[in-house]
Amino acid sequence: QVTLKESGLTLVKPTQTLTLTCTFSGFSLSTSGMGVGWIRQPPGKALEWLALTYWNEDKHYSPSLKSRLTITQDTSKNQVVLTLTNMDPVDTATYYCGHIDLGSGKFYSYWGQGALVTVSS
Amino acid sequence: QSVLTQPPSVSGAPGQTVTISCTGSNSNIGAGDDVHWYQLLPGTAPKLLIYNNNNRPSGVPDRFSGSKSGTSASLAITGLQAEDEADYYCQSSDDRLTATVFGGGTKLTVL
Repeated sequence: QVTLKESGLTLVKPTQTLTLTCTFSGFSLSTSGMGVGWIRQPPGKALEWLALTYWNEDKHYSPSLKSRLTITQDTSKNQVVLTLTNMDPVDTATYYCGHIDLGSGKFYSYWGQGALVTVSS
Repeated sequence: QSVLTQPPSVSGAPGQTVTISCTGSNSNIGAGDDVHWYQLLPGTAPKLLIYNNNNRPSGVPDRFSGSKSGTSASLAITGLQAEDEADYYCQSSDDRLTATVFGGGTKLTVL
């Protein structure tokens, strides 16, 4: 059974860096075709895709946020970390991590419960 | 502004059928990239509803179906039920952006 859970500080100040960790089980990021992505949803707004990393360390970023985003993986710990620099109140959102299995397709079959991140001074 | 375009809202009475459209371009849906659909209930994580255009994960009722043609895709919900009231999002991949792309979401109201 695949599970994912987001963790990290949920209140950050403007200009600070957000660091979120996705801890997962039920699959390994060392297995061909596996991937973990990050998606966020600001209050009352649409889902927004942020970043994605694959088993082979191929990484993809949202073009609009690429300069501020970094996604890394620790296969031994079953974790994927997302950092977003220079936080602003517009970055307030629920941040989700999701699992992709390229062998099935480019969709997120399993999601974490989400972490509500608030940016405020 | 989302890469994929969805109507902001749709509505229907219980038992009716509603369709939600998802319009992309030749760099995503039109390029052959598959379309997937998610259901978001308030306060819960997105739930995969349809994958690879027209496939249902186990446990999703067959009242939900998907289709794709050209640069667009659609989600159809037949026999509307009160519990279907939620936000629905389409998702695909964009070859030009090398990115996952989502639609702007559609709020379904069951009258």
